[in-house]
Amino acid sequence: DAKTTQPPSMDCAEGRAANLPCNHSTISGNEYVYWYRQIHSQGPQYIIHGLKNNETNEMASLIITEDRKSSTLILPHATLRDTAVYYCIVRVEASNTGKLIFGQGTTLQVKP
Amino acid sequence: NAGVTQTPKFRILKIGQSMTLQCTQDMNHNYMYWYRQDPGMGLKLIYYSVGAGITDKGEVPNGYNVSRSTTEDFPLRLELAAPSQTSVYFCASSAKGHRGEQYFGPGTRLTVT
Repeated sequence: DAKTTQPPSMDCAEGRAANLPCNHSTISGNEYVYWYRQIHSQGPQYIIHGLKNNETNEMASLIITEDRKSSTLILPHATLRDTAVYYCIVRVEASNTGKLIFGQGTTLQVKP
Repeated sequence: NAGVTQTPKFRILKIGQSMTLQCTQDMNHNYMYWYRQDPGMGLKLIYYSVGAGITDKGEVPNGYNVSRSTTEDFPLRLELAAPSQTSVYFCASSAKGHRGEQYFGPGTRLTVT
């Protein structure tokens, strides 16, 4: 599985969009990009995933560059409850194990 | 659905003691996982299972054992507890395939002294 690089921390003002970057320059054609977050000391929570097209759900949007070497997770209107560690993970599409390999993630602090 | 449940929530062990961390899921998921998370670090995969009777090692399996006799349960066994095993342990499950996002339990906080 490809490795990812994320900034260790970011700040965002409440109500503004939070844009979290992720580099995955060695990603393979069959690897998906997944985003999870971990609020305080709870178990991680799935947010969104995609292959090459942009994706949107009720929680966030995922923008993947055309060359797939990087992506951005967008929280459109960040709230204080979005303060968490955000993990970007790449995983083989046809994985027969479903394994996720977590990196260090980005700590997002949403400020009032 | 209760999702993924873990017991106990907290435990303190003495060096050399043994214990089993319990994990149960009620979503009929084939895949189950055990992770550990040390303070300030990301999660590390200990063991995983793709179905009843099938288990395999993850990134950090030493000092642990698992079994998967049913689809629902995936217990993690620590045989000789060491201070290096002080951590928060998370169990997770997922359905098969790339759309099978992992659902995590609330975690077990273990201290070995």
